Amino acid sequence: GAVVSQHPSRVICKSGTSVKIECRSLDFQATTMFWYRQFPKQSLMLMATSNEGSKATYEQGVEKDKFLINHASLTLSTLTVTSAHPEDSSFYICSARIAGGVTQPQHFGDGTRLSIL
Amino acid sequence: GQQLNQSPQSMFIQEGEDVSMNCTSSSIFNTWLWYKQDPGEGPVLLIALYKAGELTSNGRLTAQFGITRKDSFLNISASIPSDVGIYFCAGQETSGSRLTFGEGTQLTVNP
Repeated sequence: GAVVSQHPSRVICKSGTSVKIECRSLDFQATTMFWYRQFPKQSLMLMATSNEGSKATYEQGVEKDKFLINHASLTLSTLTVTSAHPEDSSFYICSARIAGGVTQPQHFGDGTRLSIL
Repeated sequence: GQQLNQSPQSMFIQEGEDVSMNCTSSSIFNTWLWYKQDPGEGPVLLIALYKAGELTSNGRLTAQFGITRKDSFLNISASIPSDVGIYFCAGQETSGSRLTFGEGTQLTVNP
């Protein structure tokens, strides 16, 4: 149980392109999903907390107009990297927490490797 | 902000050996979690700890929630090659709040 699917797993695109990443909870509902970024040999850094039906909460230093988050249903959150540039290249990982279970741990997707040329 | 110090940063061991890693925090956490991450994949939850002093096992893995609420350790017994990966601790200050991750421990197991 508690499977989180992330798509696509890898994206390579030109600078200036906008890229959308999907995060789905497959066998549970998630009122809260989280988006992380991970650079090589580093830990996970929280970018934003996505709440179903409301605006996302962004961490300090993360541009909300650059990283658009939509959480339209209890099983899907999307992250759109707008006008991506090489410095946005990274490993993006989402996680989800079971609805109604604030004590439940976060379960992670398999990540999306974003490479901007 | 909160910081988690995870050690060691890396370990190189022989198959069959036991492994221990730990995390310490400057502040109190109410939940401690241990994850394992394989290359190119997302972290997978190994053990979740919710109570100070709690000792929990998952197969060859054992983790404890320190009684001060500021530390946790993970032990792996009789390591095998598939234990290779990066292990992360994560703390949660209150129920439902964000996770703070440690810097990770890179484990290498030599057959």
